Amino acid sequence: GDQVEQSPSALSLHEGTGSALRCNFTTTMRAVQWFRKNSRGSLINLFYLASGTKENGRLKSAFDSKERYSTLHIRDAQLEDSGTYFCAAETGGYKVVFGSGTRLLVSP
Amino acid sequence: EAAVTQSPRNKVAVTGGKVTLSCNQTNNHNNMYWYRQDTGHGLRLIHYSYGAGSTEKGDIPDGYKASRPSQENFSLILELATPSQTSVYFCASGDAPGDNSDYTFGSGTRLLVI
Repeated sequence: GDQVEQSPSALSLHEGTGSALRCNFTTTMRAVQWFRKNSRGSLINLFYLASGTKENGRLKSAFDSKERYSTLHIRDAQLEDSGTYFCAAETGGYKVVFGSGTRLLVSP
Repeated sequence: EAAVTQSPRNKVAVTGGKVTLSCNQTNNHNNMYWYRQDTGHGLRLIHYSYGAGSTEKGDIPDGYKASRPSQENFSLILELATPSQTSVYFCASGDAPGDNSDYTFGSGTRLLVI
């Protein structure tokens, strides 16, 4: 069965607001990576975490292997943040499992 | 069933030798990608392609070449393999901007360069 459950599947934000995306894992994962899909379909790496939190500008991510989840927080959303975001989790055997994605739309 | 197939699944190469990793997709996707996965770095993009005949450099292209002779096939070439290229390599196909699910990964190739 699915090992990664990503939510929400779609999210609408007004400029300047914020929210969080979440990935829940059915098993213990070794690490998690968050991507954003650009306009040409390439995955842009946002964060890679084996534990704890990382922050970059208006984005912040957390990963708790024991509690089996990861989050991606977006604050002060801008129009250019619109796009599809994916989490990808590393299992113990070099297998990478992707979430189903979150379509984010930021409106004025 | 649409899929991304990589070959070989495992490879041991000698330093200085040439290695070719192959990827075939039946998804009819325009875009194809090669990543390597290393502990502490996650997936990193090496090369990608927007269609037959096109190759683009990703984030870590040094030491690698790519070839996209057809819609279905995308190869990653190590002309002079080095031990630092020991890794697990993933091929993927996808389309843009498209559906959330339009991104399919192969099962990976483990490369050991000795």
